[in-house]
Amino acid sequence: KNEVEQSPQNLTAQEGEFITINCSYSVGISALHWLQQHPGGGIVSLFMLSSGKKKHGRLIATINIQEKHSSLHITASHPRDSAVYICAITGNQFYFGTGTSLTVIP
Amino acid sequence: DGGITQSPKYLFRKEGQNVTLSCEQNLNHDAMYWYRQDPGQGLRLIYYSQIVNDFQKGDIAEGYSVSREKKESFPLTVTSAQKNPTAFYLCASSITGASSPLHFGNGTRLTVT
Repeated sequence: KNEVEQSPQNLTAQEGEFITINCSYSVGISALHWLQQHPGGGIVSLFMLSSGKKKHGRLIATINIQEKHSSLHITASHPRDSAVYICAITGNQFYFGTGTSLTVIP
Repeated sequence: DGGITQSPKYLFRKEGQNVTLSCEQNLNHDAMYWYRQDPGQGLRLIYYSQIVNDFQKGDIAEGYSVSREKKESFPLTVTSAQKNPTAFYLCASSITGASSPLHFGNGTRLTVT
């Protein structure tokens, strides 16, 4: 069983749509990370959060510690948002979800 | 600009040959990591190092070796003992370990035939 589960696995959206990606985890954590992986393979860190909500531009990340659940929202989606979004948690080490592949169609 | 450099981006080897993947960082980070990424799976930890001259096995260390002789460098050798070496390999670093954000390189795609 994976410590981190993401849904959906794949997501296709029209440009401008509001997007939500979900992450559930099963172990105690010190922080949760949202990462973005573009087709070239490199990964960038979008958010690191341990409570509440963070916002950066059109991206919003929330976490509910009691429910062991986090969401990543993208408002006014754009084709350049097309990427794989990965949820990761940290306790004594990093655990990674399998990723959500997002395609935004113009 | 600071960052992590992995080279080469693509690597092709014949079965039975050892191959070394390079990872260099100029972020002054203490912790460095090697991950393997396969389709449909999350990143899996191969080795990590919290400090120079020390490193620990991750979940899938068999068939791999590393060294950490300098803070900036953490090369990974894929040996002939690794049964299924074809994969995408990612190097990462963080300031102090699992409590700080990870910074990733752009990865090396290794194909062994």
